[in-house]
Amino acid sequence: GAVVSQHPSRVICKSGTSVKIECRSLDFQATTMFWYRQFPKKSLMLMATSNEGSKATYEQGVEKDKFLINHASLTLSTLTVTSAHPEDSSFYICSAQGTGGSNEQFFGPGTRLTVL
Amino acid sequence: GNSVTQMEGPVTLSEEAFLTINCTYTATGYPSLFWYVQYPGEGLQLLLKATKADDKGSNKGFEATYRKETTSFHLEKGSVQVSDSAVYFCALIGSSNTGKLIFGQGTTLQVKP
Repeated sequence: GAVVSQHPSRVICKSGTSVKIECRSLDFQATTMFWYRQFPKKSLMLMATSNEGSKATYEQGVEKDKFLINHASLTLSTLTVTSAHPEDSSFYICSAQGTGGSNEQFFGPGTRLTVL
Repeated sequence: GNSVTQMEGPVTLSEEAFLTINCTYTATGYPSLFWYVQYPGEGLQLLLKATKADDKGSNKGFEATYRKETTSFHLEKGSVQVSDSAVYFCALIGSSNTGKLIFGQGTTLQVKP
């Protein structure tokens, strides 16, 4: 149980285009989902926290107009990287927290974004 | 603010060797502490956790003890296997319990037969 999927697993796009990444909780409902960015040989950096049906809360230094997050249902959150540039190339990981009392997060396998 | 520091990797061991990956943290109050593991091509998985001082988390032969006096949560395993090769992340959730995980930089473990 507690499986989280991400789609796509890998995407290459041209500079200036927008890319949407989906995060789904497959067998549980997630009131809260988190989006992380992971640089090579670096830790995961929390970008934003999204709660179903409300606006995402962004961490300091993360541009909310560039990284659009939507959490329209209890099983789906999306991250859209708008007008992507090469410096946005990274590994993006989502996690989902169930509706029970536990604060455990279940992680997706990640999406590798390469912007040319 | 809260932070987590892990030992630099990569760590390379022979099968059946003893493993220690050091982790120290900075946080106010009593955070919850976690170890996550990321196998090649997969997402992070919770390996073990401890929520209060002197608690010992354990799973799959791995152990870590929440040491408040040294602000540490070192990961240990008595005899590693090739299948333990992965990246290990130490993490904490602050005592305010917002659910936000703060990660260390990760330590790559490679176990050779």
